[in-house]
Amino acid sequence: QLQLQESGPGLVKPSETLSLTCTVSGGSISSSSYYWGWIRQPPGKGLEWIGSIYYSGSTYYNPSLKSRVTISVDTSKNQFSLKLSSVTAADTAVYYCARVPQLRHFDYWGQGTLVTVSS
Amino acid sequence: EIVLTQSPATLSLSPGERATLSCRASQSVSSYLAWYQQKPGQAPRLLIYDASNRATGIPARFSGSGSGTDFTLTISSLEPEDFAVYYCQQRSNWLFSFGGGTKVEIK
Repeated sequence: QLQLQESGPGLVKPSETLSLTCTVSGGSISSSSYYWGWIRQPPGKGLEWIGSIYYSGSTYYNPSLKSRVTISVDTSKNQFSLKLSSVTAADTAVYYCARVPQLRHFDYWGQGTLVTVSS
Repeated sequence: EIVLTQSPATLSLSPGERATLSCRASQSVSSYLAWYQQKPGQAPRLLIYDASNRATGIPARFSGSGSGTDFTLTISSLEPEDFAVYYCQQRSNWLFSFGGGTKVEIK
């Protein structure tokens, strides 16, 4: 059974960089046909796609966040990571990682991790 | 950027009733449309992908239809565990977006 688990600091100061890692277990991150993605959800609000990555390193980003986002992959650790720079309170959200078959939808999700931006 | 508009925002129904949720795209997304269910404190769960295909383990009372710009999620007979928020999601030009959600609440 595929499982994804987000990890990283739960509190980040304004203007700093948010860094999260998603660890994939029960399957290989290098499987063909699967991308991997990050989605976030501010408290009480809807879902926002952040970006997606293939095991080769090919990436797609939400244009509204592209200037601040970097997603990378480490196939040796079966992990992929998110960095979001220059954060503000508006970046406070639950951050989810997910598997993206054929870059079409999100079929397996992590449990999510709340990141609060505050001094 | 493709905008997805979900309606209604809230649907008040009783168990056993039929639920019909709408998702409209600002331009055609072909059949690249998925539906998710989210309960409080939980991650979203994939229900339907490619507009009409049920995901693994999803009960037959959930069905999806539509193509182009107009899509529908139907729950044929609401079970107590179906009261939740539902989101649609599209992919176009390798970019994704979600609708604002429809809350299905107990009447």
